[in-house]
Amino acid sequence: GAVVSQHPSWVICKSGTSVKIECRSLDFQATTMFWYRQFPKQSLMLMATSNEGSKATYEQGVEKDKFLINHASLTLSTLTVTSAHPEDSSFYICSAASGDYGYTFGSGTRLTVV
Amino acid sequence: DAKTTQPTSMDCAEGRAANLPCNHSTISGNEYVYWYRQIHSQGPQYIIHGLKNNETNEMASLIITEDRKSSTLILPHATLRDTAVYYCIVRRRYNNNDMRFGAGTRLTVKP
Repeated sequence: GAVVSQHPSWVICKSGTSVKIECRSLDFQATTMFWYRQFPKQSLMLMATSNEGSKATYEQGVEKDKFLINHASLTLSTLTVTSAHPEDSSFYICSAASGDYGYTFGSGTRLTVV
Repeated sequence: DAKTTQPTSMDCAEGRAANLPCNHSTISGNEYVYWYRQIHSQGPQYIIHGLKNNETNEMASLIITEDRKSSTLILPHATLRDTAVYYCIVRRRYNNNDMRFGAGTRLTVKP
């Protein structure tokens, strides 16, 4: 079946620094990938849609300059949290359209900003 | 995509069948019902999907009412590892549009 690999699984960074999260489709090509954020005991919230070769589309209220998305190839999308602050601490999840299964999700990245 | 309504939480005894309902009264003719689950601190996992016929795979069964306004996900013999949040999502197939999640049902399987 389709596999999406997300790295790192967890990361701790200092306030003011930037963190990059990678999302790769391992055995299929993904023209479109999606990034979600999930706070404790809440559902997944869509942050942005990442399209290969074009600018990402951000949901209302998501700062595009803070959450930089790059989808440079059909198998890789990256999310960079710039100038991270403690309130950015969350669980970030990516997904990619994978045919019959709807979407395949990465395993998520736990970001803690200290 | 049509909205869905699910109970907030459910309990199930280990070894018994878990029946998780979902209402989707505004579903369109070309929309499928998808079920995903999320085990704590992991990404969502695909379970099953269907259009109008009942479906079964190695994980679960999906029963869709004749009018397609509701469905039930059945885990035939729930185990402790099935404890998770289960999401029912209605959307068109082969569609690269985004997938949005509701609150889901938190299923707790108890010994």
